[in-house]
Amino acid sequence: RKEVEQDPGPFNVPEGATVAFNCTYSNSASQSFFWYRQDCRKEPKLLMSVYSSGNEDGRFTAQLNRASQYISLLIRDSKLSDSATYLCVALSAGNNRKLIWGLGTSLAVNP
Amino acid sequence: DAGITQSPRHKVTETGTPVTLRCHQTENHRYMYWYRQDPGHGLRLIHYSYGVKDTDKGEVSDGYSVSRSKTEDFLLTLESATSSQTSVYFCATGAEYEQYFGPGTRLTVT
Repeated sequence: RKEVEQDPGPFNVPEGATVAFNCTYSNSASQSFFWYRQDCRKEPKLLMSVYSSGNEDGRFTAQLNRASQYISLLIRDSKLSDSATYLCVALSAGNNRKLIWGLGTSLAVNP
Repeated sequence: DAGITQSPRHKVTETGTPVTLRCHQTENHRYMYWYRQDPGHGLRLIHYSYGVKDTDKGEVSDGYSVSRSKTEDFLLTLESATSSQTSVYFCATGAEYEQYFGPGTRLTVT
């Protein structure tokens, strides 16, 4: 079992829709989590950090459920520009600052 | 975004030749990382650095070495390139837990 697992998708949604991705992690000692977005043939870019129960930034909301060991990302009012791959990341337990990367969920927002 | 550049951006090389990729940052971040990204594997850590001359191995370090003689530069060397090292290589930096990525180097080993 991978340490961070994501549904690869693709998720195809119309503009204006609300879409949610879930990500599960296996190490209960992980304390911090991140969502990155990656456009095709580009570098990953940090979207949101999740240190406690959740975080909200505009149309994006991340929630952490430690009991069930999953993190979700909710995107409201989807835009065409939201089309990308969304990477779920867990900070490795311990002091080495290593990140454990999921394989990503592909989102296509259609006009 | 952190000021992170990578050079070269694209490279084609032959099997058996040494290759050095450079990562340069202007953010004075303490931590620097080298990843490779391949279809079906996602991002995998090759080596990382937690300060000048302080480096450690990641999960896929075989065949790679690194050096960091200055805060702003982190070099990745493929000692003798193999076709299995054809990949996209990303450098990342960070001050704490978040990591910020450079634009990547697309390396093809023929």
